[in-house]
Amino acid sequence: DAGITQSPRHKVTETGTPVTLRCHQTENHRYMYWYRQDPGHGLRLIHYSYGVKDTDKGEVSDGYSVSRSKTEDFLLTLESATSSQTSVYFCAISESGITGELFFGEGSRLTVL
Amino acid sequence: GENVEQHPSTLSVQEGDSAVIKCTYSDSASNYFPWYKQELGKRPQLIIDIRSNVGEKKDQRIAVTLNKTAKHFSLHITETQPEDSAVYFCAASSGGNTPLVFGKGTRLSVIA
Repeated sequence: DAGITQSPRHKVTETGTPVTLRCHQTENHRYMYWYRQDPGHGLRLIHYSYGVKDTDKGEVSDGYSVSRSKTEDFLLTLESATSSQTSVYFCAISESGITGELFFGEGSRLTVL
Repeated sequence: GENVEQHPSTLSVQEGDSAVIKCTYSDSASNYFPWYKQELGKRPQLIIDIRSNVGEKKDQRIAVTLNKTAKHFSLHITETQPEDSAVYFCAASSGGNTPLVFGKGTRLSVIA
């Protein structure tokens, strides 16, 4: 498996609180992605990064922000969590960009009460 | 933007039978079409992909076909086994900096 770890793996929080999920890779891949997975919706892209400090929005970016200050770390922040953000969040990395194989982390299950 | 439709949402087959999952896409510029498999409680993993200059690609019991004119592509699994039970996702991208757009997934159950 590619060297990619997500933390925390499980989190329960309350509406209105800030939450940060961390994705850490040891592969030195340029591209990193955050997806959310919900029943009936598949995998939807939140934000992605194509280099340090280079990020862009995906299809469901509202309510989320990201930062990438180092190649190995990609942080996803929910500034004020809502119940609609209860989901499983997957980080993914890719060496060769959009049309390269995505290697996914193990996922982070977030529950917002 | 790209829109990927995937059918069926659930599929049950007897062990040894074939399974076919179909996807359609909307952006005629899309040129990369991967398939990911996600076993229960696990992360998605790439199982096969195809690019627009190829009409068909095989890897042992799995194959993918692409019809660019009709803008659809399909995953074929032959001689299904219980370990093929999983959720399968198709995706499409037009390359460059355009991210993959995934279908909503197909839950395949192989009944022994």
